[in-house]
Amino acid sequence: AQSVTQPDIHITVSEGASLELRCNYSYGATPYLFWYVQSPGQGLQLLLKYFSGDTLVQGIKGFEAEFKRSQSSFNLRKPSVHWSDAAEYFCAVVPGNTPLVFGKGTRLSVIA
Amino acid sequence: ETGVTQSPTHLIKTRGQQVTLRCSSQSGHNTVSWYQQALGQGPQFIFQYYREEENGRGNFPPRFSGLQFPNYSSELNVNALELDDSALYLCASSKADSPWYGYTFGSGTRLTVV
Repeated sequence: AQSVTQPDIHITVSEGASLELRCNYSYGATPYLFWYVQSPGQGLQLLLKYFSGDTLVQGIKGFEAEFKRSQSSFNLRKPSVHWSDAAEYFCAVVPGNTPLVFGKGTRLSVIA
Repeated sequence: ETGVTQSPTHLIKTRGQQVTLRCSSQSGHNTVSWYQQALGQGPQFIFQYYREEENGRGNFPPRFSGLQFPNYSSELNVNALELDDSALYLCASSKADSPWYGYTFGSGTRLTVV
């Protein structure tokens, strides 16, 4: 079945440490790929997106993501996490002419 | 450039009642999508409106209905509310001819059904 998978439900990292959040999709063709962040009780904010071209995409707040076609993955990374990055992160795809399909999310906790 | 605004921010309803949620799309956007986000889950697509017509629907029953107005704002109506309808309802706007540029989300309406 077509889907978006975020294997990690909850990740805890220390402030200043690096971060990688995983995302895999299962669609026949490469969809448009997005990462969104949601702070508690808030809506979704777009971090970055990939449509084509350079497979390493830069986003806001120091985040980047790398598209790997061979692995059907679009992992989100940040070299040094700040306490304010604690939030829920959602990977999403637009498979074609359909609206956004979301993964179940990864909750990020940041400890001192 | 105005973003997406939703009202109300919070709402408490009784099972069996009806509710209407409202959304104003971002300037320049002509498509509105609605999502339901249950606690601890990712958003689930309800339906999408373009040119005042529904042009896509997720796996939601007919008691979930909507409208889009000429100014591209939208309403989500839910009839015969059930306890499981308790969720955060998110509205997103986009451009029909370039959805790959991303969807702009509102802050949502938190609906509690008791």
